[in-house]
Amino acid sequence: GAGVSQTPSNKVTEKGKYVELRCDPISGHTALYWYRQSLGQGPEFLIYFQGTGAADDSGLPNDRFFAVRPEGSVSTLKIQRTERGDSAVYLCASSQGGGSSPLHFGNGTRLTVT
Amino acid sequence: QKEVEQDPGPLSVPEGAIVSLNCTYSNSAFQYFMWYRQYSRKGPELLMYTYSSGNKEDGRFTAQVDKSSKYISLFIRDSQPSDSATYLCAMFTDKLIFGTGTRLQVFP
Repeated sequence: GAGVSQTPSNKVTEKGKYVELRCDPISGHTALYWYRQSLGQGPEFLIYFQGTGAADDSGLPNDRFFAVRPEGSVSTLKIQRTERGDSAVYLCASSQGGGSSPLHFGNGTRLTVT
Repeated sequence: QKEVEQDPGPLSVPEGAIVSLNCTYSNSAFQYFMWYRQYSRKGPELLMYTYSSGNKEDGRFTAQVDKSSKYISLFIRDSQPSDSATYLCAMFTDKLIFGTGTRLQVFP
């Protein structure tokens, strides 16, 4: 069906606020990834889900960042006490089987922390 | 040193030129190599996927991998203005690691 969908496409928030970013993966894809892309840089790995569980969260920068995927489909990336340095494009990707299967990306959520 | 180094852009070429984009890497555990294209304000889209040394061709695009030199390339033949985008190399061991990207501009 449709590709990876991310909402909102843009989010502006004040420093210190809490934000949630949502990702709808391609139907049937069991693996889901979150990446962060700063201006002029390549995507940087944050976390990988296989089904409902986080298989690898080694890229989360600190404990202000948390992600869930309760039913093995939609995922939410949550950022507490946002800082200006969190401003970036947050990309979600999904793949059929995880591992080395090609990733299919959404268009990202552009987060701006003022 | 970053695990994946990508030649800095921007690269500006005339329509019809052959473009060469390159990446080097330091981790010999990388087994799978990909090239993604990213248009402005869009997510990366997969262009090429290879897992062995040698060449892989798809239309105007050729991906080349040299594991002995830890070097990968993407060649674009007969470049078009619609090829103007950022090109990201990516490599996989237990996760997909990206280069910084090279911005390509093809002018008519």
